[in-house]
Amino acid sequence: DGGITQSPKYLFRKEGQNVTLSCEQNLNHDAMYWYRQDPGQGLRLIYYSQIVNDFQKGDIAEGYSVSREKKESFPLTVTSAQKNPTAFYLCASSIGVEVTSEQFFGPGTRLTVL
Amino acid sequence: GQQVMQIPQYQHVQEGEDFTTYCNSSTTLSNIQWYKQRPGGHPVFLIQLVKSGEVKKQKRLTFQFGEAKKNSSLHITATQTTDVGTYFCAGPTSNDYKLSFGAGTTVTVRA
Repeated sequence: DGGITQSPKYLFRKEGQNVTLSCEQNLNHDAMYWYRQDPGQGLRLIYYSQIVNDFQKGDIAEGYSVSREKKESFPLTVTSAQKNPTAFYLCASSIGVEVTSEQFFGPGTRLTVL
Repeated sequence: GQQVMQIPQYQHVQEGEDFTTYCNSSTTLSNIQWYKQRPGGHPVFLIQLVKSGEVKKQKRLTFQFGEAKKNSSLHITATQTTDVGTYFCAGPTSNDYKLSFGAGTTVTVRA
């Protein structure tokens, strides 16, 4: 089955700890994205990558970091510098860098910082 | 910057009734995409509109792109419980390769 996997589904961390969220896709897509979703709000873009070894900041990149060492993988690290990290995190991919490409989303990771 | 606004934020519908949700952009869009997110789920792509005035139908769902390509609508006829969820519209930003998502319309259905 082709698709995007995110793990874990639920994640709990203590305040002040860094945490890394996994995102893997086997769709052979070039572009990958990380979004944050809070109740009552749309999807806000954290980081995106159009190609391996390259990525750009989205609208709310502060307190987050990413890497894109492999085409299939785009992990997101939520650092202790992120002031309000509790949220639902969604990873997505699209076939190419064209904005017209539909985005395929993973099941998401719900992060709770205690 | 470019923003996509959706109204209403919440839509409570009696089963069998019709409703419409609207999406408005501050700038002209090259295209607009619609996604649906079921409760507890993730967004799933529904459709993309590209042409001015374009209308596309998917069973009971009708999508329309405005003539000026600054607004769009989703009309659902004979609402069913399977229509429950949040519907997002998204349009490309003007300068780079990313989508701007609206806040969504969350639909609940009364049986």
